[in-house]
Parts: sequence; structure tokens; C-alpha cells
Amino acid sequence: QSVLTQPPSVSGAPGQRVTISCIGSSSNIGAAYDVHWYQHLPGTAPKLLIYANKNRPSGVPDRFSGSKSGTSASLAISGLQAEDEADYYCQSYDSSLSGWVFGGGTKLTVL
Amino acid sequence: VQLVESGGGLVQPGGSLRLSCAASGFAFSTYAMSWVRQAPGKGLEWVSTISGNTYYADSVKGRFSISTDNSKNTLYLQMNSLSAEDTAVYYCAKYEGASYWNWYFDFWGRGTLVTVSS
Repeated sequence: QSVLTQPPSVSGAPGQRVTISCIGSSSNIGAAYDVHWYQHLPGTAPKLLIYANKNRPSGVPDRFSGSKSGTSASLAISGLQAEDEADYYCQSYDSSLSGWVFGGGTKLTVL
Repeated sequence: VQLVESGGGLVQPGGSLRLSCAASGFAFSTYAMSWVRQAPGKGLEWVSTISGNTYYADSVKGRFSISTDNSKNTLYLQMNSLSAEDTAVYYCAKYEGASYWNWYFDFWGRGTLVTVSS
């Protein structure tokens, strides 16, 4: 059971927009700790997608966007492309655990 | 930035293993570093961090030890008393961010597989 809760899967057709939620609590996201997002393809190194809630590293398309409110955060992917099919993870810090925590991951399927 | 893990393999329950992560392309000694693992069919799990101080997930505390050799730009994870629950791909990751509570992993290695089985 992950500290941060994500839907196990989402799907969308090419060109559509999907969102992935990340629900936390008062000891992590609700404590004003930043939320970060990663894209992971099996057998490869995870890739930073969004940092500090809404910022994109250089090279990440602006089709990817992040937001945070209260005890939850969201990753939105617009203009879905086949290459976006991957696992997505949110990450934050938890003061009760005194450590960094991940969501359980969401598998994105592009139909 | 390049992070290359090594040292994984098959080990019996109760055994030990030491993972290494060779870092290049950045000032290794000035950044916090971490190990993150992914068990088969599971999600990412933070394992340990070193930034002068060391930090461990409860699941590995007392069994794993993280360290660095700045002269070799290398991160290590000494794993003792291994059990089947430690079977996973272990990733080395570099931290970025202003304050530890807002740190994130900006670069990752491709991982090394550790299998604990008799």
C-alpha cells in the first residue's frame, strides 16, 4: 500500500488528454512538500517529467503539465502520442516516515 | 550526467551483496544521492539516501548501508541479511532541489537486478 495513491491505469486515444491523480495526506502533499512526476518504460532509467509541482525540465514537451492543490496533485498529458505509453509515478516527501515516497504508479495505455 | 549501476546478481537468503554506482558528468561530491528499487510487478520504492547524513527506509534499516567514495565518484549500497522481499531492480539516482523535503531525482541509472533465492 503506497503512501501516495494513484489510479492503477488510465487510457486514451491518440490526440486526447488524460490526467493522472496523486492523492496524499497531511504528512506529505498536504504539508506543502513538492510533488514530482516520473515516466518509466520497463528496462530503462526512469525519467523526470515534472518537478516542484508544475515545472518541466529542459526537453520535456509542454504537452505534459502538473498541478497541486491541498493533499493531491495531478499530471496532465495532452495530445496523446503512442510514445507516451509508459508507467507514471508521483513522488514527494513524508514527514511521518522521514523519507521520500512514491505513488504506486499508473500505467498509461494509448488506444 | 551518467549513472551506471553494477554488482547485482543471484544471492541466497541471508546473504550479502554490495551494489556500486559509477557517476560522471557532474560534481559528485556536492550532490545527495539515493538508491530506489522496483520489485517485480511493483512500483518504485525509495531505499536510502546519503547527503553527509544517511537515511533509510524502514524496510531496510539495520540491514543496508549506503556510502560514497568521492575519489572514485562512486555510490555504494551494502546489503546484508537479504530476503526474497529484497528481490528488485536497484536504481541509483541523483538528487536535485533546494531543501531535502523538496528533493527530487533528476537523473537515474538503468538499474541492476538483485535476485534473492535459494
